[in-house]
Amino acid sequence: DTAVSQTPKYLVTQMGNDKSIKCEQNLGHDTMYWYKQDSKKFLKIMFSYNNKELIINETVPNRFSPKSPDKAHLNLHINSLELGDSAVYFCASSQEVSGIQYFGAGTRLSVL
Amino acid sequence: AQSVSQHNHHVILSEAASLELGCNYSYGGTVNLFWYVQYPGQHLQLLLKYFSGDPLVKGIKGFEAEFIKSKFSFNLRKPSVQWSDTAEYFCAVNSHNNAGNMLTFGGGTRLMVKP
Repeated sequence: DTAVSQTPKYLVTQMGNDKSIKCEQNLGHDTMYWYKQDSKKFLKIMFSYNNKELIINETVPNRFSPKSPDKAHLNLHINSLELGDSAVYFCASSQEVSGIQYFGAGTRLSVL
Repeated sequence: AQSVSQHNHHVILSEAASLELGCNYSYGGTVNLFWYVQYPGQHLQLLLKYFSGDPLVKGIKGFEAEFIKSKFSFNLRKPSVQWSDTAEYFCAVNSHNNAGNMLTFGGGTRLMVKP
């Protein structure tokens, strides 16, 4: 059973489009995250979210917005996609106290 | 703001060689420290972690890491690497004061083990 699952695994789209990536965790964790990994493998936190608060990395453009329908899901919506948005996006979750984060398999986004 | 540096970007070793990957962080307070591994085409997996206690921590697959507070370091070691250890290794830090429990990652070290 996959603990943190993301869909789709691959996403190819045109500049200017709006797209969403879904993430679900079945670990009962309190907090979920989105990370961006660029072509040089550099990982950067985008958001941290639990049912109490959303914490946004200030460098993330407001075209990116997390949406959480419930505790087990944190979807990433991206408006007006740009070439520079091409990357692998990883979802993760953790139980707040432990601090250990469990990652999904990633979504490779290619913007043409 | 906290930051994490991994000085070795690419490491190439032969099987059975010993491995040490450097990791330094900049934060003066109490931290949680992690090493994650990303095998080719796969997601990140936790290798080991340090929260408190014995500064020498042992993880999966024979890896260990030593937290040296005075040097702000958390270097990863393995006495004898295998071809299957070929992967990208990431050091990460989470400070106790970090709202939202967000991890700060180092730039990663790509390890290639030659058979």
